Amino acid sequence: GDSVTQMEGPVTLSEEAFLTINCTYTATGYPSLFWYVQYPGEGLQLLLKATKADDKGSNKGFEATYRKETTSFHLEKGSVQVSDSAVYFCALPTGGGNKLTFGTGTQLKVEL
Amino acid sequence: DAGVTQSPTHLIKTRGQHVTLRCSPISGHKSVSWYQQVLGQGPQFIFQYYEKEERGRGNFPDRFSARQFPNYSSELNVNALLLGDSALYLCASSLAGALTYEQYFGPGTRLTVT
Repeated sequence: GDSVTQMEGPVTLSEEAFLTINCTYTATGYPSLFWYVQYPGEGLQLLLKATKADDKGSNKGFEATYRKETTSFHLEKGSVQVSDSAVYFCALPTGGGNKLTFGTGTQLKVEL
Repeated sequence: DAGVTQSPTHLIKTRGQHVTLRCSPISGHKSVSWYQQVLGQGPQFIFQYYEKEERGRGNFPDRFSARQFPNYSSELNVNALLLGDSALYLCASSLAGALTYEQYFGPGTRLTVT
């Protein structure tokens, strides 16, 4: 079935470092792809999305490009801040489009 | 505007007991979905309701049930609790059933089964 695979964490970076969190997907067709973020003690927030191949989603300095050739949707940010410390989830709609299937999450810790 | 609200925030139950979790969607949203997030894992889909009808069900036993009320709020019920039911239960609301509409998540209910 449709699924996503994320790189395992935790990822620890110094402030202002470059961030990449890998996500690859398996799906029939070209579904929308999402990145969600979960800050400590909170629910999930949609960070960005891409609805078709070659689209680039961006928000708060984060970017991800929907690449059908490599079935990937890697999350990137040029300069991370301590406030970016959170767990990041890659997700895609499955089951006819009425539910989200999430990756296992990647914990990011940014230190001064 | 208020976001998705869930109650209670935390609760502790004993094996074999029953629990009811509640969710109020964002005003105007007609779809509510429930997810279970076990510590260290991604959320797993349990149910989706749209216009008070079940539109999707994940791979969970019949001990899990849900319903949506005329005001679009929702309850998730779990019977005969097991230790493995300990998790963060997330509710998400959206304007309609399809995922072309953004899902907004609540803060979750942390359930501990002892």
